Amino acid sequence: DAGVIQSPRHEVTEMGQEVTLRCKPISGHDYLFWYRQTMMRGLELLIYFNNNVPIDDSGMPEDRFSAKMPNASFSTLKIQPSEPRDSAVYFCASSLATGGWNQPQHFGDGTRLSIL
Amino acid sequence: GQSLEQPSEVTAVEGAIVQINCTYQTSGFYGLSWYQQHDGGAPTFLSYNALDGLEETGRFSSFLSRSDSYGYLLLQELQMKDSASYFCAVGNAGNMLTFGGGTRLMVKP
Repeated sequence: DAGVIQSPRHEVTEMGQEVTLRCKPISGHDYLFWYRQTMMRGLELLIYFNNNVPIDDSGMPEDRFSAKMPNASFSTLKIQPSEPRDSAVYFCASSLATGGWNQPQHFGDGTRLSIL
Repeated sequence: GQSLEQPSEVTAVEGAIVQINCTYQTSGFYGLSWYQQHDGGAPTFLSYNALDGLEETGRFSSFLSRSDSYGYLLLQELQMKDSASYFCAVGNAGNMLTFGGGTRLMVKP
């Protein structure tokens, strides 16, 4: 079975440029999560969707960050304009619905983003 | 808000047993999960405790005490490939997870 697929795997761009990260969740999963990981701040939840609807975006750091999920098989995280402090590994994860329990989250391989 | 505390680093020798503790403060608690992450890799799910007690999966076990807001991950018969970071994560509604800062485990020969 295909896991969560993220693209690109690596992105290096200059400050001020627009960056778009892409994610394809596991088919049939109801939840999609975007995380950012840095040495200083660890693994932070940015936003999550349930059935394509954004539920909690309180982790999105600034208005420069936006996320969409136009359908059940695709999501994007966009940074515009990008800044050096946005450099991090961005993970996408998906899971089944909970039914009152926590289902395992399945992570993609991540996008290593470097803003120069 | 949520907060989790776990040791930043643990070192052990091959074949030994190691315990990684996690204490948490949270609201709307659904359970405690553990994830493993190798350097350069993605977090992968290890175990989940919703109720008090011990859950065993092969060489790995996880324990939860809800009254003490405490849990631990126990790794037995350590192997070199177990060298990785281990994260505890508190789960609440919507399958949201808040991760601890991670414990870097180094297994030495």
